[in-house]
Amino acid sequence: RKEVEQDPGPFNVPEGATVAFNCTYSNSASQSFFWYRQDCRKEPKLLMSVYSSGNEDGRFTAQLNRASQYISLLIRDSKLSDSATYLCVVNTYTGTASKLTFGTGTRLQVTL
Amino acid sequence: SAVISQKPSRDICQRGTSLTIQCQVDSQVTMMFWYRQQPGQSLTLIATANQGSEATYESGFVIDKFPISRPNLTFSTLTVSNMSPEDSSIYLCSVVRQGYTGELFFGEGSRLTVL
Repeated sequence: RKEVEQDPGPFNVPEGATVAFNCTYSNSASQSFFWYRQDCRKEPKLLMSVYSSGNEDGRFTAQLNRASQYISLLIRDSKLSDSATYLCVVNTYTGTASKLTFGTGTRLQVTL
Repeated sequence: SAVISQKPSRDICQRGTSLTIQCQVDSQVTMMFWYRQQPGQSLTLIATANQGSEATYESGFVIDKFPISRPNLTFSTLTVSNMSPEDSSIYLCSVVRQGYTGELFFGEGSRLTVL
């Protein structure tokens, strides 16, 4: 089983739609979680951290379910500019250092 | 956010040659990393670049193939040695800045094609 798994997509949605991505992780000891965004041929950039209580940033909502070991990202009122690949990232402390593990990413294409 | 400059941004190389990628950060950072992103794949950590000492390599990566230097807190190099087509990938430098817990800042990447 991969350490971090995501549906690669692509998710093709019309502008204004709501779309949700899930990500599962295998190590129950993982402590912190993030969503990064990567535009085509660009470097990844942090979109938002994921907190245990869930958190919202404008149109974006992140949720964490530790019992089921998954993280979700909800995008409301999709914009054309949301088209990108969304990377799930899990931080696990190994005892000597923190290790960030990236999922393969879920590609989103928002269309007119 | 940190300004991270990588050079070269892209290169096409012949099999068997070596290429050194440079990463320059606009401020001193403690944690500096090198990642690889192969086509359609996730980012894979190659190594942590340690200032003044040998890099810490992840499983599957060795110093002979990917020698890394980090002479100070703002600069690092990654060399891809004795290249083969399987080394064709994007190589990304990344840093953690003080006060940005868990957030990685990435350079724009170096896109390497090996013929």
